Amino acid sequence: DVKVTQSSRYLVKRTGEKVFLECVQDMDHENMFWYRQDPGLGLRLIYFSYDVKMKEKGDIPEGYSVSREKKERFSLILESASTNQTSMYLCASCLGGLNEKLFFGSGTQLSVL
Amino acid sequence: AQKVTQAQTEISVVEKEDVTLDCVYETRDTTYYLFWYKQPPSGELVFLIRRNSFDEQNEISGRYSWNFQKSTSSFNFTITASQVVDSAVYFCALSESNNNDMRFGAGTRLTVKP
Repeated sequence: DVKVTQSSRYLVKRTGEKVFLECVQDMDHENMFWYRQDPGLGLRLIYFSYDVKMKEKGDIPEGYSVSREKKERFSLILESASTNQTSMYLCASCLGGLNEKLFFGSGTQLSVL
Repeated sequence: AQKVTQAQTEISVVEKEDVTLDCVYETRDTTYYLFWYKQPPSGELVFLIRRNSFDEQNEISGRYSWNFQKSTSSFNFTITASQVVDSAVYFCALSESNNNDMRFGAGTRLTVKP
């Protein structure tokens, strides 16, 4: 089975801190995604990557950046965390494009105080 | 722009009841894909089904069934004889063939009481 692992289940940070959320998948998937999940809004795509060192903006990239130096690892970076970035962050991967099923990690609940 | 609406925010049923989760979508594309995912309390979304726009056959998998109707732009999900383990948030999602974005609905929280 595909395993998508997110480094932290819960994270508490202070406003202005630089935050790194890590995601690793073990099935050699080309495509990786970062979503944020908020009540009443469903999942919204922040960034995705279709290859090493390649990235594309999703719906809500503002305030975020990403890094994909190795195929299995996709990092989400909050350059200067703000309270409105308090959310559940979900990483996903898939072999093909977004027409294929996604495999998700368990999520990171980030609280910015 | 593509859009997915799950009008039911929360549903509560008693075990063994049947329940239908509604999903209505909007797209201008003729080729698109519809999905259902389940998010149990553990947090990890689990894939349930994928349907392409050219396949309107309904599907049944055990207690789960899906009704895809292009005429009403709906892709509804029915759980027959619900069980407590079915309690979760269920998401409907849409992706278009030429678009690098999977659009999710807001989700429906299903609670099945014993």
